[in-house]
Amino acid sequence: EAGVAQSPRYKIIEKRQSVAFWCNPISGHATLYWYQQILGQGPKLLIQFQNNGVVDDSQLPKDRFSAERLKGVDSTLKIQPAKLEDSAVYLCASSSFGVNQPQHFGDGTRLSIL
Amino acid sequence: AQKITQTQPGMFVQEKEAVTLDCTYDTSDPSYGLFWYKQPSSGEMIFLIYQGSYDQQNATEGRYSLNFQKARKSANLVISASQLGDSAMYFCAMSRIQGAQKLVFGQGTRLTINP
Repeated sequence: EAGVAQSPRYKIIEKRQSVAFWCNPISGHATLYWYQQILGQGPKLLIQFQNNGVVDDSQLPKDRFSAERLKGVDSTLKIQPAKLEDSAVYLCASSSFGVNQPQHFGDGTRLSIL
Repeated sequence: AQKITQTQPGMFVQEKEAVTLDCTYDTSDPSYGLFWYKQPSSGEMIFLIYQGSYDQQNATEGRYSLNFQKARKSANLVISASQLGDSAMYFCAMSRIQGAQKLVFGQGTRLTINP
């Protein structure tokens, strides 16, 4: 079974520029998550999708971050404009629908803001 | 709100020894799940083991076992017969059973296995 795919692997941009990340979950996984992991910390949820609907986006900085999951499969996360504090690894995860199904993570996108 | 505390920033262990990574949690939810993930230097998060709050027995997966003490609100990870490849960051996490099942992570413990 193919794992969660993310791209790009690395991205370097200047502050105030925009950037987008892509995620393809494990086939058949209804739930998709985007996490932000700042260096030295555990991941923090940004947004959770169930199929193509948003379940939780309470910690998403909506003035600059946006995410969508068209057709309930692939997802994109966008930052516009980027700030220095957005430097982090952005992890995508997916899980089957059901009680406490383990989340399977992609390799992440490491974002550096200059 | 849910909270995970991992008090060991770093652990150093000799190869083939057993190691225990500490995790305590706080939640007001009556039912919840506890997870351990491994993050090697390459960055991916690898699921290791899961324990439901309602499970009577401690979870085991190969060399990994979870020492779940509900009254103490602790969910320690035990790795038996450690190997050099076990060197990584280890994260404890929890989620609700009902509703949005986001993972709340601790700060992590960096485990180094010495030959």
